[in-house]
This record gives sequence, structure tokens and C-alpha cells, in this order.
Amino acid sequence: AQTVTQSQPEMSVQEAETVTLSCTYDTSESDYYLFWYKQPPSRQMILVIRQEAYKQQNATENRFSVNFQKAAKSFSLKISDSQLGDAAMYFCAYRAHQGGSEKLVFGKGTKLTVNP
Amino acid sequence: ETGVTQSPTHLIKTRGQQVTLRCSSQSGHNTVSWYQQALGQGPQFIFQYYREEENGRGNFPPRFSGLQFPNYSSELNVNALELDDSALYLCASSLIGQGFTEAFFGQGTRLTVV
Repeated sequence: AQTVTQSQPEMSVQEAETVTLSCTYDTSESDYYLFWYKQPPSRQMILVIRQEAYKQQNATENRFSVNFQKAAKSFSLKISDSQLGDAAMYFCAYRAHQGGSEKLVFGKGTKLTVNP
Repeated sequence: ETGVTQSPTHLIKTRGQQVTLRCSSQSGHNTVSWYQQALGQGPQFIFQYYREEENGRGNFPPRFSGLQFPNYSSELNVNALELDDSALYLCASSLIGQGFTEAFFGQGTRLTVV
């Protein structure tokens, strides 16, 4: 079974600084997707960035980038130039196949605080 | 804001009662998944519906059941509520069969069982 581990329950960063959130996962599949989701107090999960395992190049979306290490099964999220609006819970997720279905397997999350 | 809406937003039920939660999918999507997010935890997969049939299920008992309708909206039903069922219930809609598509989440229903 696939598992996702986020070892940092909480992180804080100063506004305009850079922060890195860690995630490791376990899978026997060779082709898969990994995601980082943001969940603000409004509760809605918002996709921040995704990485396809067969792509060696790390994904980037504006201030958000990942460091994907397939052999180490590591998938960290770097937020540059942090903004107050980045404060939220961040979840790392793996898209798993179960029979004919696709499900997301989430980590426990990291609460990010951005200090002004 | 996504096109996925859930109702109600909050709900309080008594142990032993039954509850129905509703989800309206993103336009053009054919798949709905339901997740349970306990306080301080990540979402856990309950089940997925594709073309009105359950096509995948997580580690949840049979008292958790669902429906998907021809317009791809969906319901999650929970019978014989237990205190541990208190959680945020999220639905996500997606499109299976068209390569990768993003799953869009609703804002969830906060269920409290007392």
C-alpha cells in the first residue's frame, strides 16, 4: 500500500523568505503523480503543484517549486518570497490506482505560518 | 472557487442517526470521490463513483454508502452514526479516461456527532 509521510507538523517563515516543506512516500509503482495541496481555513483543497514521476525535471509554478528525488522517494515543496496568503495547511499527496479507481493518498499535513 | 459545491456546510447529528451529504460535480467531470478528514489529519479515501457505480473503496465499513446520479452529482450516506464519524467530509470531482485531469474539491461538510 502506498503511504505518504510529512514529518513537519508545523513550519513558520518570515514574509518574503523561502521555506521548504518535506514529504516522503512509499510505492512500488514506477509511474505515478505526486501533488502538493493547500488547505486554507476555508477548508477547500487547492492544487498547488503536481509532478509526474516519469519526468526528471522538477515542476515549477511561479513561487512554488518541488525537489523530486525519485530514487529516495522524496518530494519537497519550496515556497519562495513567502506571502501572508500562503499561510495554510499543506498536504502532500500521491495518486494511487486501486482496481479501476484513482484515489489520492494524503500525508498528515504541515501547518505553515507566515510572519509579517 | 471550483465548480464543486457541497451541502450542507455544517451538520450536527446524534449518535445512531443517519446522515446524507451532497456534492455537485464540476461541469464535464464524470467521477466523484469522497474523503473523510478527521481533525488534525489528512483526508482519507472513502470511495469513488464512476458512471453511477462504485469503482473503488477505502477502509470504511458498509454503513458508509453512496450514490452517483446521471448528472454526476453524488450523495454520501452514513448510517448508525458513531462519535468517531465526526469529521470534515470532502468530495472531489474529476474526469477519468482523458489522460491526467486535476481533481477539484468542494469546501466540505463539517459533521459533528454528539
